[in-house]
Amino acid sequence: GAGVSQSPSNKVTEKGKDVELRCDPISGHTALYWYRQSLGQGLEFLIYFQGNSAPDKSGLPSDRFSAERTGGSVSTLTIQRTQQEDSAVYLCASSPQAPPTSQETQYFGPGTRLLVL
Amino acid sequence: RKEVEQDPGPFNVPEGATVAFNCTYSNSASQSFFWYRQDCRKEPKLLMSVYSSGNEDGRFTAQLNRASQYISLLIRDSKLSDSATYLCVVLTYSGAGSYQLTFGKGTKLSVIP
Repeated sequence: GAGVSQSPSNKVTEKGKDVELRCDPISGHTALYWYRQSLGQGLEFLIYFQGNSAPDKSGLPSDRFSAERTGGSVSTLTIQRTQQEDSAVYLCASSPQAPPTSQETQYFGPGTRLLVL
Repeated sequence: RKEVEQDPGPFNVPEGATVAFNCTYSNSASQSFFWYRQDCRKEPKLLMSVYSSGNEDGRFTAQLNRASQYISLLIRDSKLSDSATYLCVVLTYSGAGSYQLTFGKGTKLSVIP
């Protein structure tokens, strides 16, 4: 079956512009996660959605970052007034249950590579 | 102390060797543990979960030591295809139904012919 998909796969933007990243989770997965991975760095948790509950935004680095999940499915991560330090790979993951368990863990999308010039 | 720490490596080992990675975590209340594998410029993929009693999947063995707050991954008979970065992941409940998944920065393994 289809895995997690993300679009665009690559995005180049100018400093100060807004960008919108999209994630389509695996159908039926309850939880959806956004991470950021800078070059040579580990994954940095940004935000997660769990069913219809309010999202946990504790990982968002600044108020320029926001995310929505419409209808419990597709999610968009928006970065306003992008800065060069926002350049990274933005990974989305989904899991059947929340939290993920030993048997039902996270499945990652291929990521969006964002470059802010 | 960082929440999840791993030796970044790289570990350069010959084919057929046995190699072990450790990962330490800071929160004694952490509940679940996983090893993920990430190939260069690819997304992470689950390698195996780590059970309290330890578990084995083919050439891979994972162990958990709650008292010392570390988990380990042992790879026997290394293959060239094992070359990747191995990420340690720790799940911790933070109260009120919330939880946190924390990834280590990964240990890079290169298996050499």
